[in-house]
Amino acid sequence: DAKTTQPPSMDCAEGRAANLPCNHSTISGNEYVYWYRQIHSQGPQYIIHGLKNNETNEMASLIITEDRKSSTLILPHATLRDTAVYYCIVRVATNAGKSTFGDGTTLTVKP
Amino acid sequence: GAVVSQHPSWVICKSGTSVKIECRSLDFQATTMFWYRQFPKQSLMLMATSNEGSKATYEQGVEKDKFLINHASLTLSTLTVTSAHPEDSSFYICSVPATGQPYGYTFGSGTRLTVV
Repeated sequence: DAKTTQPPSMDCAEGRAANLPCNHSTISGNEYVYWYRQIHSQGPQYIIHGLKNNETNEMASLIITEDRKSSTLILPHATLRDTAVYYCIVRVATNAGKSTFGDGTTLTVKP
Repeated sequence: GAVVSQHPSWVICKSGTSVKIECRSLDFQATTMFWYRQFPKQSLMLMATSNEGSKATYEQGVEKDKFLINHASLTLSTLTVTSAHPEDSSFYICSVPATGQPYGYTFGSGTRLTVV
């Protein structure tokens, strides 16, 4: 799996958009970008994934650059409950193999 | 969506005893499950891959005799921490891969183990 780099921490004001970047410059053509988040003392939760097109679901939007070397997770209207550690993972999607987690970004949403 | 149940959510045990943690996939079959360990303010560290009907595959540095994994059915994997010591106190999490592309994971809610 390709290595990812994320900033260790970010702050965001409640109600504003939170933009979390992820660098994956060594991504391969068949690797997807996945985002998960982990609220304190809980298991990680799937947020969104994408290959090369931008994706949106009820939780977030995922913007992947044209060269696919980086991506941004967007929480359009952050709430206090979005305070969590956000992990970006890049992996091949053709098997159910293991994945390793980087350090992620700790997002703190402030009132 | 897929549901993974992990039990217990927390456990306190005495040093030298063994503790079993269960991970169940409630609405789908899982030939593979993954076990992670997480220390405070650190990321998830993959411990082992649990394989239904065969031996688990352990990551480098993880003691297989210390962390016994059993995956006897398509819906249940167990992690037993044997002869637990205070340094084994941690947050243990299981995950199950989705059954179709593009494979993501569903995680259990985690087990907080405290060894006293």
